[in-house]
Amino acid sequence: EPEVTQTPSHQVTQMGQEVILRCVPISNHLYFYWYRQILGQKVEFLVSFYNNEISEKSEIFDDQFSVERPDGSNFTLKIRSTKLEDSAMYFCASGLGRTDTQYFGPGTRLTVL
Amino acid sequence: ILNVEQSPQSLHVQEGDSTNFTCSFPSSNFYALHWYRWETAKSPEALFVMTLNGDEKKKGRISATLNTKEGYSYLYIKGSQPEDSATYLCAFSVGNTDKLIFGTGTRLQVFP
Repeated sequence: EPEVTQTPSHQVTQMGQEVILRCVPISNHLYFYWYRQILGQKVEFLVSFYNNEISEKSEIFDDQFSVERPDGSNFTLKIRSTKLEDSAMYFCASGLGRTDTQYFGPGTRLTVL
Repeated sequence: ILNVEQSPQSLHVQEGDSTNFTCSFPSSNFYALHWYRWETAKSPEALFVMTLNGDEKKKGRISATLNTKEGYSYLYIKGSQPEDSATYLCAFSVGNTDKLIFGTGTRLQVFP
């Protein structure tokens, strides 16, 4: 059964460093998402992406964040200058249609020291 | 602010017990309600998507109902098994957006 994959499973970085989180969505899906969960809090939406552009973003998704689909298979989230409060589990998801089921990857745990 | 509440926060049951949890959401501008099952270190697994008031969905021993007028959904597990132990998340979406707004989840532990 096709699944969303994410790498790495755990990333440790120093404050101020850039990180890139990688995702391979399900191959025929057209809509791509990033969510995150800070420890002890709810899963929260960051950004949605369709047709090679951002379709919606939350207030969290400021200029420090960017997303890219550099080729036909990968979908990346870049954080330019990480802060301590960026420490969280980051989930990628993909879906066939705008309001269809979103299929989630296993997450990347980002720890900023 | 759109908010989703789930109750209870956690639940411990014996194998064979049936159980249910609640998800409450704002009823205005509702589009869809999603249920996910999330085991530690794994991907959240999609269980159901429901859109119509009165919808009932079933997958094996798990079923869900939806009331969009009063803004709640119930998830039922019949004859709980230890492998049902997981966090059950609900999320809803509104009509003009595809982002999911999640609740805090109900953590279920089933003891043999």
